[in-house]
Amino acid sequence: DAGITQSPRYKITETGRQVTLMCHQTWSHSYMFWYRQDLGHGLRLIYYSAAADITDKGEVPDGYVVSRSKTENFPLTLESATRSQTSVYFCASSESTGFRLIFFGQGTRLTVV
Amino acid sequence: GENVEQHPSTLSVQEGDSAVIKCTYSDSASNYFPWYKQELGKRPQLIIDIRSNVGEKKDQRIAVTLNKTAKHFSLHITETQPEDSAVYFCAAIISSGSARQLTFGSGTQLTVLP
Repeated sequence: DAGITQSPRYKITETGRQVTLMCHQTWSHSYMFWYRQDLGHGLRLIYYSAAADITDKGEVPDGYVVSRSKTENFPLTLESATRSQTSVYFCASSESTGFRLIFFGQGTRLTVV
Repeated sequence: GENVEQHPSTLSVQEGDSAVIKCTYSDSASNYFPWYKQELGKRPQLIIDIRSNVGEKKDQRIAVTLNKTAKHFSLHITETQPEDSAVYFCAAIISSGSARQLTFGSGTQLTVLP
């Protein structure tokens, strides 16, 4: 859906570098999420946010930092990238209380070399 | 999702046949169970969901059934077509400490053979 966009779509970075993945939604959804997708693991929640300035850890938060100063943006930062963070990252949003009716962005394929 | 198990991991069916994908969950407080379809290189998209106060829900060729006692739910696709080929993910809301999170199964690669 055009309402939630991620950038960049593809990124190659070196081990130890800081990298930020951007996520922007135009629906004014309260909830936003970051998932990573790896073969054999499905989608795993990294961080989520219930509203501006409210964030919480998911299943796999180590090595990641998030912020949400504005409702529409939810950037994900890898402070010091490691090879194990090579993955496809999906941002998502939901207008509902909790986790119903989640809509995903197009994904960012990140490779750490 | 360690708390949501999905089977099988791969499934091949002939066009026109039915496909069934099953998931089990661990949290008896779970009350929402969505299914997502992900085509190759694309984002996951919600195709159907069910709440715990309903035992079955249908939408054209797809249906989901829920057995709360046994803590399992299933996706049924009838009259399969080649465009149904994709990875399907189940999910359930799982309590983790004081938080509740939507936890996904590991996915099922469905291939519909013409």
